[in-house]
Amino acid sequence: DAGVTQSPTHLIKTRGQQVTLRCSPISGHKSVSWYQQVLGQGPQFIFQYYEKEERGRGNFPDRFSARQFPNYSSELNVNALLLGDSALYLCASSLQGDTEAFFGQGTRLTVV
Amino acid sequence: AQSVTQLGSHVSVSEGALVLLRCNYSSSVPPYLFWYVQYPNQGLQLLLKYTSAATLVKGINGFEAEFKKSETSFHLTKPSAHMSDAAEYFCAVTWISSGSARQLTFGSGTQLTVLP
Repeated sequence: DAGVTQSPTHLIKTRGQQVTLRCSPISGHKSVSWYQQVLGQGPQFIFQYYEKEERGRGNFPDRFSARQFPNYSSELNVNALLLGDSALYLCASSLQGDTEAFFGQGTRLTVV
Repeated sequence: AQSVTQLGSHVSVSEGALVLLRCNYSSSVPPYLFWYVQYPNQGLQLLLKYTSAATLVKGINGFEAEFKKSETSFHLTKPSAHMSDAAEYFCAVTWISSGSARQLTFGSGTQLTVLP
């Protein structure tokens, strides 16, 4: 069975550009969450979506946005990139009402 | 509000020795607690979870953790370290509301080194 898949695995962007990261959850999972992991730190919660609705938002600026599609896949969009946005972005999926979140391999974003 | 504190950003043990990674939490509601492991350039893998059932939780790869409400702790242990256990370990907390898990709050991580 396929796990959580994220694309791309790596990318490099220039300050001020925009980036879109993609996530496909495990089949049957309806909830997707996004986390930012800066080097040397634990992951920080950005968004949670369930059934295409935003269920939670972390302490991130409005430059960060996300959406979930009818097939439950999700995109994370970051505008006006800053050097500090360089991080590993993790996507996690879970069943409704389940306590376990399954993580993808992440997308390594480098802003130069 | 919830928070997690992992004591010791780096822990070194000899192969075959006891592994003890410390985690203390703060939560205003009954918590659900997790330990995840992260290998270099990879995502997070769940080791074990506490969801208000047994306070001693057994996970994969021989790891276990004990929930101690009086000490607000959820320390991770393994009786005998193996070289393959070298990785970064994260403790996390969340709570359940209306049947759906909320966002995870992670600690800052503990890098485990296993010495031959």
